[in-house]
Amino acid sequence: ETGVTQSPTHLIKTRGQQVTLRCSSQSGHNTVSWYQQALGQGPQFIFQYYREEENGRGNFPPRFSGLQFPNYSSELNVNALELDDSALYLCASSQTSGNNNEQFFGPGTRLTVL
Amino acid sequence: GEDVEQSLFLSVREGDSSVINCTYTDSSSTYLYWYKQEPGAGLQLLTYIFSNMDMKQDQRLTVLLNKKDKHLSLRIADTQTGDSAIYFCAEPYSGYSTLTFGKGTMLLVSP
Repeated sequence: ETGVTQSPTHLIKTRGQQVTLRCSSQSGHNTVSWYQQALGQGPQFIFQYYREEENGRGNFPPRFSGLQFPNYSSELNVNALELDDSALYLCASSQTSGNNNEQFFGPGTRLTVL
Repeated sequence: GEDVEQSLFLSVREGDSSVINCTYTDSSSTYLYWYKQEPGAGLQLLTYIFSNMDMKQDQRLTVLLNKKDKHLSLRIADTQTGDSAIYFCAEPYSGYSTLTFGKGTMLLVSP
């Protein structure tokens, strides 16, 4: 069974640029959630994708957008990068059957905005 | 909004027990979770407890749930240096099948 993978592992961008982060979900999982973890903080929910549609969103502006593909992999896109977007971006996959919110996390992508 | 609160830091000696505490906000939470994050890594699910339980034991880990006070604790028996990490308490996020996390408790285990 393959776990959750993310790419790239590290990324450096400058203010105003755009970035795309990628996530492959764990085998058999149909739901992907993205989180932002700033230094010294817990992960903050950005949004969730289920069956290629956004299925919930946290308190993040529209310049944070995403996609989910038929194989359940997902992308997180951030436009007009700001310094405060520097963080570890975590992807988590889950199976929506049942009422257990158990999520399996990838290793994250460390984004630095200069 | 939801706020999960945790103490930020705990230091123990190897072999001692560690107790990490958490308060959560949503009394309707069905499950509550403990995750572990080692430096430079993602989050690893340690254990979870269903809301109709008061206690769950899993090897060295004991989870206690006080629903009246919305208080959750994680006890690690015989703490080892490999247990040094950040521990996050989490509850379901506002009806979605995703999670709200606390800020994490950094556990430092000294030899």
